[in-house]
Amino acid sequence: QKEVEQNSGPLSVPEGAIASLNCTYSDRVSQSFFWYRQYSGKSPELIMSIYSNGDKEDGRFTAQLNKASQYVSLLIRDSQPSDSATYLCAVRPRDDKIIFGKGTRLHILP
Amino acid sequence: ETGVTQSPTHLIKTRGQQVTLRCSSQSGHNTVSWYQQALGQGPQFIFQYYREEENGRGNFPPRFSGLQFPNYSSELNVNALELDDSALYLCASSLYRQGANEKLFFGSGTQLSVL
Repeated sequence: QKEVEQNSGPLSVPEGAIASLNCTYSDRVSQSFFWYRQYSGKSPELIMSIYSNGDKEDGRFTAQLNKASQYVSLLIRDSQPSDSATYLCAVRPRDDKIIFGKGTRLHILP
Repeated sequence: ETGVTQSPTHLIKTRGQQVTLRCSSQSGHNTVSWYQQALGQGPQFIFQYYREEENGRGNFPPRFSGLQFPNYSSELNVNALELDDSALYLCASSLYRQGANEKLFFGSGTQLSVL
């Protein structure tokens, strides 16, 4: 069974520090990887996508992918209180539908 | 705003009843996926519709059914509601193209409570 694993948290990070969120996946031939942010009571919002090994940067966000280790991470630099949310890792296995992890709750401490 | 709209936003039903949830996809998108998100869990894939046909289904019983219309909008129907069906139901639209990477954009969801 294809799975996406995340630490549920909460992960507490001081304001201004780097928040590091991690995700592992079981299907070795997965090809697309996503990070969604979900505020309490709201729907998921796509913040990053990554398809190749290495790093992808977008503003304060950096996604990192290591297909050999089946590992994808999200770094948030200069963390702000508004970054407090649940972060969902999503993976698209080859020729299959996007599946989600349970999410990591991130709390930025003012 | 993603341009994906869902209705209603909240719904209360009793066990055994039937419910229909609606979704209008983002302009230019041709695919609609439905997910169920229980409290404290990640979204679980229910099914996807492409060109008005079911294009993949998750581990949900047949009492979960759907439709996609020519304008790419979609409905999710759930018959014989059970207490465990209480959840946030999310519709996501996307543009499916062969060989291209597909991204999901979610609507605001329908919160269903089954009493």
